[in-house]
Amino acid sequence: DIQMTQSPSSVSASVGDRVTITCRASQGISSWLVWYQQKPGKPPKLLIYAASSLPSGVPSRFSGTRSGTDFTLTISSLQPEDSATYYCQQAHSLPPTFGQGTRLEIK
Amino acid sequence: EVQLVQSGAEVKKPGESLKISCKASGYNFTNSWIGWVRQMPGKGLEWMGIMYPGDSDTRYSPSFQGQVTISADKSISTAYLQWSSLKASDTAMYYCVRDPSVTTPYWYMDVWGKGTTVTVSS
Repeated sequence: DIQMTQSPSSVSASVGDRVTITCRASQGISSWLVWYQQKPGKPPKLLIYAASSLPSGVPSRFSGTRSGTDFTLTISSLQPEDSATYYCQQAHSLPPTFGQGTRLEIK
Repeated sequence: EVQLVQSGAEVKKPGESLKISCKASGYNFTNSWIGWVRQMPGKGLEWMGIMYPGDSDTRYSPSFQGQVTISADKSISTAYLQWSSLKASDTAMYYCVRDPSVTTPYWYMDVWGKGTTVTVSS
């Protein structure tokens, strides 16, 4: 299985801050990387697919980039409603595997 | 609107069988992949498997192969996840999910159900 390693495991930031979460794949996955946002007591929500594409309805403050096997989720200007756990997931091969999650707290 | 509506919470004893359901609406159920993701209490996400209702092609994660069965009834646009003999370690939230591909899987999930809590305890 492909291992996905996220960092940091948790982060605390203020409204308006720029926040970056990183995900590293254990082997090449091209751009087959997605990000999900999960709020407490809710199912995950698709945030980014194909490393950098935003589904309809996702705010433009969210963005994703790829550099080799390293992927980054950036929130350009943190909002209170962005408090959540964020998961990366490789969509390159069976079985799809997730990172361990990054808990984002608003100060 | 695309929706996945899951069955209600279950409390079972070890060794019992269980089948939970997920009713899809708002899209062509037969021509999309539908599957399940597990989240154990306080833990991360684990992809279990998916099925293509059109031809019953089913793919499992090796971690879940032989442990659960994914099935579907096209006539009522409903997918199922079942266990023949539950263990305490099956206690988790189970999410019904859709893979957005209409051909080979894209291996990610664009629509999620609200989840079904399964508690296995003696």
